Amino acid sequence: SAVISQKPSRDICQRGTSLTIQCQVDSQVTMMFWYRQQPGQSLTLIATANQGSEATYESGFVIDKFPISRPNLTFSTLTVSNMSPEDSSIYLCSVPETGEETQYFGPGTRLLVL
Amino acid sequence: KQEVTQIPAALSVPEGENLVLNCSFTDSAIYNLQWFRQDPGKGLTSLLLIQSSQREQTSGRLNASLDKSSGRSTLYIAASQPGDSATYLCAVRGAGGYNKLIFGAGTRLAVHP
Repeated sequence: SAVISQKPSRDICQRGTSLTIQCQVDSQVTMMFWYRQQPGQSLTLIATANQGSEATYESGFVIDKFPISRPNLTFSTLTVSNMSPEDSSIYLCSVPETGEETQYFGPGTRLLVL
Repeated sequence: KQEVTQIPAALSVPEGENLVLNCSFTDSAIYNLQWFRQDPGKGLTSLLLIQSSQREQTSGRLNASLDKSSGRSTLYIAASQPGDSATYLCAVRGAGGYNKLIFGAGTRLAVHP
């Protein structure tokens, strides 16, 4: 099974600033997913990040707000730009098992925007 | 558009009870269905994965069933324990090479001694 780490684990930020979240996987994976979990809500997919190509964003999410980097097969970053209190959420990185069976999740980054 | 619904939204039971958590989905063309557990402030832990061709999967005190044609899955927890207290999430993956997970809103379970 994949082991996923995220940094930071939590942060408190001021509105208007940006935060970059890092996701590191202990094995090479083609696809990485970024999810958002707003308070009391379930998980919503933000985008799919493939190495060597631009991320694919879901409806309601745009690259200017959530730029993603995928420099290699074990690492990705998600930036939350120009933050507002509505961006307060848990952000989770996820990778599928080979063959897209089970999906593994990182511990999440808890973001509070004041 | 696939939608996943979980009932009940919250459940509080005494220790030792057998529980059934329900998950329904609108599009039966799924690749698989997965049940996760989320503890407060933590990430997700995969509990059981059921392929679209399977009817059920078991792991310890957990049993998950799938009725694809009716768009339903249940997670059965036997002899519940306080350590089972968590939020349980159901997620489906679409068929036909469509590989993102669609999550339900979850069932918050509290098992008290």
